[in-house]
Amino acid sequence: DTAVSQTPKYLVTQMGNDKSIKCEQNLGHDTMYWYKQDSKKFLKIMFSYNNKELIINETVPNRFSPKSPDKAHLNLHINSLELGDSAVYFCASSLKGEQYFGPGTRLTVT
Amino acid sequence: AQSVTQLGSHVSVSEGALVLLRCNYSSSVPPYLFWYVQYPNQGLQLLLKYTTGATLVKGINGFEAEFKKSETSFHLTKPSAHMSDAAEYFCAVSEGDSSYKLIFGSGTRLLVRP
Repeated sequence: DTAVSQTPKYLVTQMGNDKSIKCEQNLGHDTMYWYKQDSKKFLKIMFSYNNKELIINETVPNRFSPKSPDKAHLNLHINSLELGDSAVYFCASSLKGEQYFGPGTRLTVT
Repeated sequence: AQSVTQLGSHVSVSEGALVLLRCNYSSSVPPYLFWYVQYPNQGLQLLLKYTTGATLVKGINGFEAEFKKSETSFHLTKPSAHMSDAAEYFCAVSEGDSSYKLIFGSGTRLLVRP
């Protein structure tokens, strides 16, 4: 029973393409997040949704658009992919500040 | 603004030796503090957390950490390293359970020598 799942696990695409990453949690949490981990392993929050409402948007380019169809899902759509978007993207969900992470999606832009 | 500093991007210990990973934080409000572990090509797993109460917290896999407000530190220790402890460790801080933001340190890679 995976608590936080992401698809796909790996995504290789060319510059300029549009792609989506999906996230689902079965923990019943109200808050979900997207993080970006760069090649130096540095983790930075991108977005947070609480009860389907955007509450954190950390100066992320507007090519990135999160969408939360319901409390259990938070998807990330990326338009016009650039080389610098290559990273591992982690979804997380939380209850009272304790965050649970998904396995990550490794995005490679060529 | 909150921040987290992890001293030492790499720490190498012998199997059976003490593990000490350092974390210092800054926060304008009483912090919630976390240690996460990341094994290669995997997501982050919560090792332990400090919210309120007892300042020495025990986590999974024999790890523990002590919250020291006077030193603004939350160092992670384990008495005896196992080969399976080799991983990346992240310290993180948030402004309590009403905060939706987790600020991470830059990580420390633990290497365990046989």
